[in-house]
Amino acid sequence: DVVMTQSPLSLPVTLGQPASISCRSSQSLVHSDGNTYLDWFQQRPGQSPRRLIYEVSYRDSGVPDRFSGSGSGSNFTLKISRVEAEDVGVYYCMQGTHWPLFTFGPGTRVDFK
Amino acid sequence: QVHLVESGGGVVQPGRSLRLSCAASGFIFSDYAMYWVRQAPGKGLEWVSVISYDSNTKYYADSVKGRFTISRDNSKNTLYLQLTGLRDEDTAVYYCGGLGCWGQGTLVTVSS
Repeated sequence: DVVMTQSPLSLPVTLGQPASISCRSSQSLVHSDGNTYLDWFQQRPGQSPRRLIYEVSYRDSGVPDRFSGSGSGSNFTLKISRVEAEDVGVYYCMQGTHWPLFTFGPGTRVDFK
Repeated sequence: QVHLVESGGGVVQPGRSLRLSCAASGFIFSDYAMYWVRQAPGKGLEWVSVISYDSNTKYYADSVKGRFTISRDNSKNTLYLQLTGLRDEDTAVYYCGGLGCWGQGTLVTVSS
């Protein structure tokens, strides 16, 4: 099975400053169709998860452009260019390449210093 | 706009059963695979089960294999999860998902 790891697991941030979360997979996430199915989800306190990024770098509709995703193979990054108050929560990466066995990362808790 | 609404959660004793439902709208339900994910209190996300658009393919996490059954009724735009042989560790919020969207979740509490 594919194992997803994230770092850091806790990320203290400063309003208006950039932030970055790393996600690594135990196997390449490049699918036989050439695409890489790596998503990022945000879960605000008390809410259900919301997808921010799909296929490594494509932002979902309505997601602010301060969020960006990058990476390839088995190494991926979610970046927030300037953290805002509403960005507090837990962020998860998820692989969908090795369907049907989706796998989530352990989550990174983002909170203010 | 994709809209998913879960229902059917509640408090149930160990060993008993429960059926969760997920009503879908805003997209052509019969065209897409759907899945269930759960989140135990204070914990991360755990993928539970997935079903193909035509119900021909179903997969389960090892933790629920043989106890949970996923199904769908494309005529009713509804996804189901039958939970049997419930254990304390099945206590969680259960989310249905599809097309990158999730519902608000339904809480299942297994307790004697």
